[in-house]
Amino acid sequence: GAGVSQTPSNKVTEKGKYVELRCDPISGHTALYWYRQSLGQGPEFLIYFQGTGAADDSGLPNDRFFAVRPEGSVSTLKIQRTERGDSAVYLCASSLNGVGGYTFGSGTRLTVV
Amino acid sequence: RKEVEQDPGPFNVPEGATVAFNCTYSNSASQSFFWYRQDCRKEPKLLMSVYSSGNEDGRFTAQLNRASQYISLLIRDSKLSDSATYLCVVNINGGGNTPLVFGKGTRLSVIA
Repeated sequence: GAGVSQTPSNKVTEKGKYVELRCDPISGHTALYWYRQSLGQGPEFLIYFQGTGAADDSGLPNDRFFAVRPEGSVSTLKIQRTERGDSAVYLCASSLNGVGGYTFGSGTRLTVV
Repeated sequence: RKEVEQDPGPFNVPEGATVAFNCTYSNSASQSFFWYRQDCRKEPKLLMSVYSSGNEDGRFTAQLNRASQYISLLIRDSKLSDSATYLCVVNINGGGNTPLVFGKGTRLSVIA
């Protein structure tokens, strides 16, 4: 596509539920990144894919968070047993080959109630 | 020391003013540097890359001082539309394919 697409744009879920956030990167971009941004903070790195594999998942806060990119294009960020502290904007970005600046999607605003 | 540090502001400046933002980074091996702009409730957008020799794009000038591990952004002749948060971004671990680290951002308000 023309840009990075993220769905849903907003998600409200109850504490303890499971959620999936989807990212469709720019066509041909091999590198895909997930970040999380809380109010008043900069984006915080979660995980980075180069192709289908997770090249760096050091930013995932705990084992409730998991992400996949099975065909090297669309990625899904999965959060199990959501907690109120997971509420944030989840941003996805892609870049052509992992070098240089990224293009971000408009994010998914997750609210856990 | 935080990996990327910025003064959060806010900077409130009149239209037409010149304003400068600074940023420091922790790892001297860092190789790539950027300034992103983020409008309220929007995603960050790349404003400009920062090169060792310094670079200019219209009213915007970015400088890098590797010895002091310091990056700056200068905005001349500020416009109301420049009001946003400016994020300092560094490839902190130096490798070509390592994730970028973002500062918390500096808020700028340009007032009429």
